[in-house]
Amino acid sequence: DSGVTQTPKHLITATGQRVTLRCSPRSGDLSVYWYQQSLDQGLQFLIQYYNGEERAKGNILERFSAQQFPDLHSELNLSSLELGDSALYFCASGRTGVQETQYFGPGTRLLVL
Amino acid sequence: GENVEQHPSTLSVQEGDSAVIKCTYSDSASNYFPWYKQELGKRPQLIIDIRSNVGEKKDQRIAVTLNKTAKHFSLHITETQPEDSAVYFCAASRGVFGAGTILRVKS
Repeated sequence: DSGVTQTPKHLITATGQRVTLRCSPRSGDLSVYWYQQSLDQGLQFLIQYYNGEERAKGNILERFSAQQFPDLHSELNLSSLELGDSALYFCASGRTGVQETQYFGPGTRLLVL
Repeated sequence: GENVEQHPSTLSVQEGDSAVIKCTYSDSASNYFPWYKQELGKRPQLIIDIRSNVGEKKDQRIAVTLNKTAKHFSLHITETQPEDSAVYFCAASRGVFGAGTILRVKS
């Protein structure tokens, strides 16, 4: 157990819908990273937050957005969902936000039908 | 931005043999290089890491080497065991991962 929690564990929804994925970092970690992992794919970096502020942006679609709240938990919002958005979404947390070990949560498996 | 290339994409070895996975990176400012192991259906977990002030680090059967001049680093697993079968990811800089290597250890 890494200490990072993600909810929900599974999510099934329809195309065109909007969902919110939640992540709570390890105690003391200020940084949260979001990744998308499709079937047989690697880890695609989406976005990073550090202490409430966006720190880095990767291959995140405009239909996706995220934020980190004052209590440091983070939410990833996915809207206008398409079939291709079906994937495993991981969040990870880190202490400093810079070139560090990342501790991954268990992931949220999203299925868009 | 940073680009990380990882080879090979798949690797099959016989139990007891060694396995080597290589990564190259593009950003010379990167100074932290972790390796993660992801078993089927599970989260990636750190197995070893190295910082740019050292050239090699070892932890039991696992070692990582770094060549900053050439901008590449490698994971070495000796005396492989079936439980080493997994996907291995290298990473450099902030959030940039290699594409992963599927390692299969045949018993």
